[in-house]
Amino acid sequence: DIVMTQSPDSLAVSLGERATINCKSSQTVLYSSNNKNYLAWYQQKPGQPPKLLIYWASTRESGVPDRFSGSGSGTDFTLTISSLQAEDVAFYYCQQYYSFPYNFGQGTKLEIK
Amino acid sequence: QIQLVESGGGVVQPGGSLRLSCAASGFTFSDSGIHWVRQAPGKGLEWVTFIQYDGGNKYYADSVKGRFTISRDNSKNTVYLQMNSLRAEDAAIYYCAKGGTSGPVEHWGQGTLVTVSS
Repeated sequence: DIVMTQSPDSLAVSLGERATINCKSSQTVLYSSNNKNYLAWYQQKPGQPPKLLIYWASTRESGVPDRFSGSGSGTDFTLTISSLQAEDVAFYYCQQYYSFPYNFGQGTKLEIK
Repeated sequence: QIQLVESGGGVVQPGGSLRLSCAASGFTFSDSGIHWVRQAPGKGLEWVTFIQYDGGNKYYADSVKGRFTISRDNSKNTVYLQMNSLRAEDAAIYYCAKGGTSGPVEHWGQGTLVTVSS
């Protein structure tokens, strides 16, 4: 099974500043035949289901603000929020969909400093 | 628009059984895989199981293998999760979600709460 590890577990950033969340997989999630990374990022606000933000490691889901971006390849990935807004306070999870079980990272809590 | 509505949650004693349902609308259900993902109170997301669009392939987390069974009825646009031999650690909000065999989890339902307690 592929284990996903996020860092940090929690993060406090000032409004307008950059927030960076990291995700590391125990095995590559890059499929060599199509050069795609099978990695997604989700946002979950209190009392709500998760929402897909980023897939294929760097493709923004429709309607997601462009301050959210994903990067990385192979085993190391990053979610960046370029200018933190109050509505971005949430938990963020990475997930690999390279092979079953489609494990999630443990989550990162993002707060306002 | 895409909707996934879970039902069937409730309180069950340890060792008991429960069947969850996920009713889908707003997309071609028979072309779509469906996941179940759970979240224990105050905890992170745990992927539980997946069923392919035609029910041909099913996958389970080790934590539920042999106890949970996923199935679907494409004539009713519904996926089921039969949960047997329930344990305290199975208590969680259970979300059903739309996704492909090699794709992200795209759309999530609001979830149904399962409580395992004597």
